[in-house]
Amino acid sequence: DADVTQTPRNRITKTGKRIMLECSQTKGHDRMYWYRQDPGLGLRLIYYSFDVKDINKGEISDGYSVSRQAQAKFSLSLESAIPNQTALYFCATSTGPNTEAFFGQGTRLTVV
Amino acid sequence: AQSVTQPDIHITVSEGASLELRCNYSYGATPYLFWYVQSPGQGLQLLLKYFSGDTLVQGIKGFEAEFKRSQSSFNLRKPSVHWSDAAEYFCAVGDYNQGGKLIFGQGTELSVKP
Repeated sequence: DADVTQTPRNRITKTGKRIMLECSQTKGHDRMYWYRQDPGLGLRLIYYSFDVKDINKGEISDGYSVSRQAQAKFSLSLESAIPNQTALYFCATSTGPNTEAFFGQGTRLTVV
Repeated sequence: AQSVTQPDIHITVSEGASLELRCNYSYGATPYLFWYVQSPGQGLQLLLKYFSGDTLVQGIKGFEAEFKRSQSSFNLRKPSVHWSDAAEYFCAVGDYNQGGKLIFGQGTELSVKP
């Protein structure tokens, strides 16, 4: 089983719908991240959490919200999806500052 | 602000040829540097990392990278490319001032010709 699991793997949704992407991890790491990948732009950080009570905005948080339900679970929500949120979304975990991040398989989201 | 630049969006090399992927960073202190690979339909896998010490670091799959402080570079190299190396490669720096989260470059897509 994967250490960092994202669900769903693929999702098509309509403009204006609310959608939640889920991430769970079995690595026991305190730090969790949500990144968005777009062609030619690399990975951009949406939100990150250093523990259950510590959640921070990344560089592109507008239009997104997160919830850290437990050490192992970190969910990303799009309150009202729009087409330019169509992207590949990655969840990642790490043990501490400047350590390597471990990534999930990604969720491909299409907003039509 | 900290940033990472990968100047080459797409590179094509012949199988068996050598490879160098460029990475330049902007960072005020000693950087923590990483190279990741993303195969089609997969997540990102760590190839190697540099924290301190020897500036030439070895990674998995026969890759190595050299940290050059004077050039603010951390280029990835492989002496002989295999067809299975075709993937997208990302350079990243740990942003110590922002809790050590990773800042990624734009990525370089590698194609391998038979």
